Amino acid sequence: GDSVTQMEGPVTLSEEAFLTINCTYTATGYPSLFWYVQYPGEGLQLLLKATKADDKGSNKGFEATYRKETTSFHLEKGSVQVSDSAVYFCALSDRGDGNNRLAFGKGNQVVVIP
Amino acid sequence: DGGITQSPKYLFRKEGQNVTLSCEQNLNHDAMYWYRQDPGQGLRLIYYSQIVNDFQKGDIAEGYSVSREKKESFPLTVTSAQKNPTAFYLCASSRASKVYGYTFGSGTRLTVV
Repeated sequence: GDSVTQMEGPVTLSEEAFLTINCTYTATGYPSLFWYVQYPGEGLQLLLKATKADDKGSNKGFEATYRKETTSFHLEKGSVQVSDSAVYFCALSDRGDGNNRLAFGKGNQVVVIP
Repeated sequence: DGGITQSPKYLFRKEGQNVTLSCEQNLNHDAMYWYRQDPGQGLRLIYYSQIVNDFQKGDIAEGYSVSREKKESFPLTVTSAQKNPTAFYLCASSRASKVYGYTFGSGTRLTVV
């Protein structure tokens, strides 16, 4: 079945550092790919998305490129701030039967230290 | 503004009691979903509904029940049969197409006392 794999463990980095969170996927068709962000005690918010190969999604300084050849959708930000501390989830939607169910990765806790 | 509202934000339940979590959306979305999130864990799907008066079990439906009598509403009942109900519950909604993703509510934290 469809699945998403995110890198293990929390990510701790200093303010203004470069952030990368890896995401790879397995899907039988042509999925849409998403990154969601969850701040403490809140629900998930859509951060960015890409719906076809080579698309780049971007928002709030974050970027991710849909790489079909490597089945990846890694999230990057060039200079993080303390306010970027949150949990980040990668997700895909690829249901050929028209059922828009998302498959989520386990999430990565990001902690940015001043 | 359109959105999805979960209530209450915090809920306390005594063991052996049923409790119902509310989820309402005014986005005119066809599909709605309930997820459970435990500390340090990902999201686990409890139930989902693609149209009114129809719903399907997700991966962890045991001990939960839902109804979908109106397009806007998808309440979740946590029954006494749920052995470990303390968790953060998230409701979401979406359009039918896979390109749009989900809109999430702000969650309900349920604690059994």
